[in-house]
Amino acid sequence: AQTVTQSQPEMSVQEAETVTLSCTYDTSESDYYLFWYKQPPSRQMILVIRQEAYKQQNATENRFSVNFQKAAKSFSLKISDSQLGDAAMYFCAYRVYSGGGADGLTFGKGTHLIIQP
Amino acid sequence: DADVTQTPRNRITKTGKRIMLECSQTKGHDRMYWYRQDPGLGLRLIYYSFDVKDINKGEISDGYSVSRQAQAKFSLSLESAIPNQTALYFCATSDLRNTEAFFGQGTRLTVV
Repeated sequence: AQTVTQSQPEMSVQEAETVTLSCTYDTSESDYYLFWYKQPPSRQMILVIRQEAYKQQNATENRFSVNFQKAAKSFSLKISDSQLGDAAMYFCAYRVYSGGGADGLTFGKGTHLIIQP
Repeated sequence: DADVTQTPRNRITKTGKRIMLECSQTKGHDRMYWYRQDPGLGLRLIYYSFDVKDINKGEISDGYSVSRQAQAKFSLSLESAIPNQTALYFCATSDLRNTEAFFGQGTRLTVV
């Protein structure tokens, strides 16, 4: 079974600074997808960024970027120029590429990100 | 209007009662999911469905059942609710091409 580990239950960063959230995963699959979801106090699950395992280039979305190390099974999220609106729970998630087999996301336990003004 | 709609948003029920959480979507996706979120545990998969005739158990299906009434509707039932089923429940949809999951607003269920 796949597992996703987020080793930082809570992180704190000053506004405008950069913070990196860690995620490692365990899988025997070669084709899969990785995601970072944000959950603000409104409890809505919002996709931040995604990475296809077959792509070597790290995904980037504006101030958000990932460092994907496939061999090390590591998928960290970097948030640049942190803003107060970035404060939220962040979940790392894994999904195997599936034609008709097992499906669904496997989530880490989350990292609570605090932005200090 | 939201693409994935869950009802109710919040619910308090008593131990032993039957309760149904409903989910509907307008995204036209084939795949639908139910997840449970507990503090400190992240989200865990309860059931998922590829279409109306294909329903599969997830990681934590015991104590739950589901029904896929149509492509757009997927309901989760607790036949006899117990306090440790108190949690935040999410419905989600996806299709294979899109890869990502789209979530509803969540249903906070409290069993007293």
